[in-house]
Amino acid sequence: GDSVTQMEGPVTLSEEAFLTINCTYTATGYPSLFWYVQYPGEGLQLLLKATKADDKGSNKGFEATYRKETTSFHLEKGSVQVSDSAVYFCALSANTDKLIFGTGTRLQVFP
Amino acid sequence: GAVVSQHPSWVICKSGTSVKIECRSLDFQATTMFWYRQFPKQSLMLMATSNEGSKATYEQGVEKDKFLINHASLTLSTLTVTSAHPEDSSFYICSATNRQGAKGYTFGSGTRLTVV
Repeated sequence: GDSVTQMEGPVTLSEEAFLTINCTYTATGYPSLFWYVQYPGEGLQLLLKATKADDKGSNKGFEATYRKETTSFHLEKGSVQVSDSAVYFCALSANTDKLIFGTGTRLQVFP
Repeated sequence: GAVVSQHPSWVICKSGTSVKIECRSLDFQATTMFWYRQFPKQSLMLMATSNEGSKATYEQGVEKDKFLINHASLTLSTLTVTSAHPEDSSFYICSATNRQGAKGYTFGSGTRLTVV
């Protein structure tokens, strides 16, 4: 079945460091891919998305490129801030309306 | 943009009582709503999918008689945790989508349920 695999956290970085959170997927057909962010005690917010191969989603300095050849959708940011500390979820939506989530990666950024 | 309001944001109840959580789409018609449960430091577990005017589809292992879902209108879905027990304590999140334009999922802010 369809699935999403994310790197385990927590990821601990100093402010202004480069961030990469790996995400790979398994799906039939051509899924849409998403990154969601969850701040403490809150629901999920859509961070970015890509709907077809080679699309790049970007928002708030975060980027992810839909790589069909490697079935990946890695999240990157060139310079993280303390305010980026949160849990990040990679997700896909394939042939149904359901969103399938990865296990989430906690990011902790220290000043 | 699309907004989903979830209420209450937190609730404490006694064992054996029932709790209702509401999920409203404020500015769009939600043809489908999803209910998730999230355990501490874990991912979201899909509990059920509800389509307006029809019975919810529950994921394997989710008790439909315990977690009652109603999606009576295109803007409102409710999750009722019946005869709650401490093990039902969790963070519950709803999500809504429509079929207009590209797929999009809007999440509520979640409800922290504590059963004592």
